[in-house]
Amino acid sequence: ELKVEQNPLFLSMQEGKNYTIYCNYSTTSDRLYWYRQDPGKSLESLFVLLSNGAVKQEGRLMASLDTKARLSTLHITAAVHDLSATYFCAVVPGTYKYIFGTGTRLKVLA
Amino acid sequence: NAGVTQTPKFQVLKTGQSMTLQCAQDMNHNSMYWYRQDPGMGLRLIYYSASEGTTDKGEVPNGYNVSRLNKREFSLRLESAAPSQTSVYFCASSESFGQEGGNTIYFGEGSWLTVV
Repeated sequence: ELKVEQNPLFLSMQEGKNYTIYCNYSTTSDRLYWYRQDPGKSLESLFVLLSNGAVKQEGRLMASLDTKARLSTLHITAAVHDLSATYFCAVVPGTYKYIFGTGTRLKVLA
Repeated sequence: NAGVTQTPKFQVLKTGQSMTLQCAQDMNHNSMYWYRQDPGMGLRLIYYSASEGTTDKGEVPNGYNVSRLNKREFSLRLESAAPSQTSVYFCASSESFGQEGGNTIYFGEGSWLTVV
């Protein structure tokens, strides 16, 4: 059974601190996506990682992909309140079927 | 820019009633999807349409039907609503699944459905 697991599921952190969210998946996927969802809103694309070793950065967020370990990380540097949201990773193990993780709810405390 | 548009945004149904969620995209995408989102479950794929004229089951298709009306529109129908179908439904689209470009999936704003 295909599993896409994120941890932690909930994360409360202080402003200015660093932290990493992990996304593990159980089957082969040559690409991985990260999305952000604000409460009551739709999902917004953050990163598309297309190959082993890919690294993308946008502001205080940096995502990386290790396809051999079936692991992606989303690193948060010097968190600010505006980063509070739920973050999802998604893999594509087969044509057209994007499979999402359970999400990590991040709360950044002032 | 409209992107992916879903209607209705909110709906309350009685058990056994039927309804159709409408979705349209204006990005000329080939592939469209319906997901449901439940607390602690992430997003689960209900049905998808790889291209106009084709539809296939996802992870949780039971109790739903879909129609890819044309390239722009992909509807989701609940024939006999059950309380277990209370959820937030998202329609999404992507250019296609190919070797280049990443094919990011774009989401609609969501439809909040409550079955009582």
